[in-house]
Amino acid sequence: GQQVMQIPQYQHVQEGEDFTTYCNSSTTLSNIQWYKQRPGGHPVFLIQLVKSGEVKKQKRLTFQFGEAKKNSSLHITATQTTDVGTYFCAGESNTGKLIFGQGTTLQVKP
Amino acid sequence: SAVISQKPSRDICQRGTSLTIQCQVDSQVTMMFWYRQQPGQSLTLIATANQGSEATYESGFVIDKFPISRPNLTFSTLTVSNMSPEDSSIYLCSVADGYGTDTQYFGPGTRLTVL
Repeated sequence: GQQVMQIPQYQHVQEGEDFTTYCNSSTTLSNIQWYKQRPGGHPVFLIQLVKSGEVKKQKRLTFQFGEAKKNSSLHITATQTTDVGTYFCAGESNTGKLIFGQGTTLQVKP
Repeated sequence: SAVISQKPSRDICQRGTSLTIQCQVDSQVTMMFWYRQQPGQSLTLIATANQGSEATYESGFVIDKFPISRPNLTFSTLTVSNMSPEDSSIYLCSVADGYGTDTQYFGPGTRLTVL
């Protein structure tokens, strides 16, 4: 079936280090969304990418959508303890609904 | 973005019983969804709650086990029926203004433990 794969599953970094999570789809996506879920919280929308090769920035976060619209990445520069949480990508399924990746859980050591 | 509330926030239930979870939105929304998130796992879509008609269930989920109501554009319920310990999970409702792949806003979730 259609899948959205995300790696790595876990990442531990020292505060100030960079962090990247990667998302890959088995099929071409019309768009991709990224969500963040803090420990004990619910997913919160971060951004949506629509165009091939699109790059968007939110402060220290950089989001990219691949040229083939089958992969995406989220890069955080100089992580802070407030970045802790699980980051999910989500792409459109063949039934027109969102499929969430498995998520990457980020731990930041102060 | 919409403000979403869910009741109850958590519950501990006995196997064989049923629990109804409510989702209330502060504005009218086109789409409402119900997800399940097992501990440390990703989100799995259970169904789309359709206003005035039967919900649309995803593969692996059936109406007898997860009946859903959506009487209007701001409210929905999900019932987890004849519960077993395998139903222990977080249940989240989400809303979107447009179609299924529009930005979704999630409620705080209901943490269910079945003994």
